[in-house]
Amino acid sequence: AQKVTQAQTEISVVEKEDVTLDCVYETRDTTYYLFWYKQPPSGELVFLIRRNSFDEQNEISGRYSWNFQKSTSSFNFTITASQVVDSAVYFCALSEAQLQGAQKLVFGQGTRLTINP
Amino acid sequence: DAGVIQSPRHEVTEMGQEVTLRCKPISGHNSLFWYRQTMMRGLELLIYFNNNVPIDDSGMPEDRFSAKMPNASFSTLKIQPSEPRDSAVYFCASSLADQPQHFGDGTRLSIL
Repeated sequence: AQKVTQAQTEISVVEKEDVTLDCVYETRDTTYYLFWYKQPPSGELVFLIRRNSFDEQNEISGRYSWNFQKSTSSFNFTITASQVVDSAVYFCALSEAQLQGAQKLVFGQGTRLTINP
Repeated sequence: DAGVIQSPRHEVTEMGQEVTLRCKPISGHNSLFWYRQTMMRGLELLIYFNNNVPIDDSGMPEDRFSAKMPNASFSTLKIQPSEPRDSAVYFCASSLADQPQHFGDGTRLSIL
């Protein structure tokens, strides 16, 4: 069975600090996808990134970066120079590759990130 | 472009009543998903459709829950009869083939 663990329930930092959100996953599939979604206080779920299991290259997008390591089954998310607008709940998710294309997402419990001014 | 549209945004009703949640996926998307978010269980997949056909409903909690997708632009999730433990935020999401899912704003359901 697939499982995603986000051990950090809540993180609170001061603005401009760097912060890393941890994500550890379990799957028996050799082909799978990993995701990060952001849920701001307004409640919607915003897609941030998807990586497939064959691509371990780190990704950087502005202040956001992601570190994927198959050896430790981790897909960590780092925000550099955090801002108050980064305050949200962040979800890591996993899906297996489906023959019909659609991907069933298994979510972690989420990490509530609070950036204090 | 319009995103996934869910209605209503908020619903408050008494236990025993029928509740219908609605979703309009992004035009052109061929997969539609219903999720439920609660404090206790987090985000969990209830059911998903591919080309309007239900593919996996193993997450539907019990027979009181049913979902339909009569056409490519509309889906409903129905609870009958509703119970207080059904109170949650219900999300609809859609995707095209194996592309990432895009979520609606959710329906916050409160059963009194």
